[in-house]
Amino acid sequence: DSGVTQTPKHLITATGQRVTLRCSPRSGDLSVYWYQQSLDQGLQFLIQYYNGEERAKGNILERFSAQQFPDLHSELNLSSLELGDSALYFCASSVEEDREQFFGPGTRLTVL
Amino acid sequence: GESVGLHLPTLSVQEGDNSIINCAYSNSASDYFIWYKQESGKGPQFIIDIRSNMDKRQGQRVTVLLNKTVKHLSLQIAATQPGDSAVYFCAETLNTGNQFYFGTGTSLTVIP
Repeated sequence: DSGVTQTPKHLITATGQRVTLRCSPRSGDLSVYWYQQSLDQGLQFLIQYYNGEERAKGNILERFSAQQFPDLHSELNLSSLELGDSALYFCASSVEEDREQFFGPGTRLTVL
Repeated sequence: GESVGLHLPTLSVQEGDNSIINCAYSNSASDYFIWYKQESGKGPQFIIDIRSNMDKRQGQRVTVLLNKTVKHLSLQIAATQPGDSAVYFCAETLNTGNQFYFGTGTSLTVIP
């Protein structure tokens, strides 16, 4: 158990819909990262927050957004969902930005 | 329909043998590297890290070697056990530490 929690574990929805994925980092970790892992793309970095501020953006679509709240939990919002958005979405946290990341169990999103 | 997955490099080793997993990284400016292990249905798990001012780092049964000249990273697992069967990813980041770039992974199978 990494100490990072993600909810929900599974999510099934339809194209065009919007979903919110939630992540609670390890206690004391200030940095939160979001990743997408799909069969044909591997593990792709989406976005990173540090103590509530956005610090880096990777391959994140404009339909996707995220935020980190004052209590350091983070949410990833995915809108206008497409079939190709079906993937595992991982959240990771670290105590500082250049330190090892601890991954949550992931949310498996299925878009039908 | 037929699903298309990543063509992961694979490595099969006999239980008790040593394993060597290789990774070529892309950015000569990367200065922090991590190896992760991902078991089926789980999030990536930190194994060991190394900074660019080092050539070698040892952990429990694992050793990471870094060759900056050829931008190559390797993970050595001593006395490989069935529980080591997983996909192994290397990740690199620049000194800002904000974005981690993951390799496609190597699937390790340990034969009892």
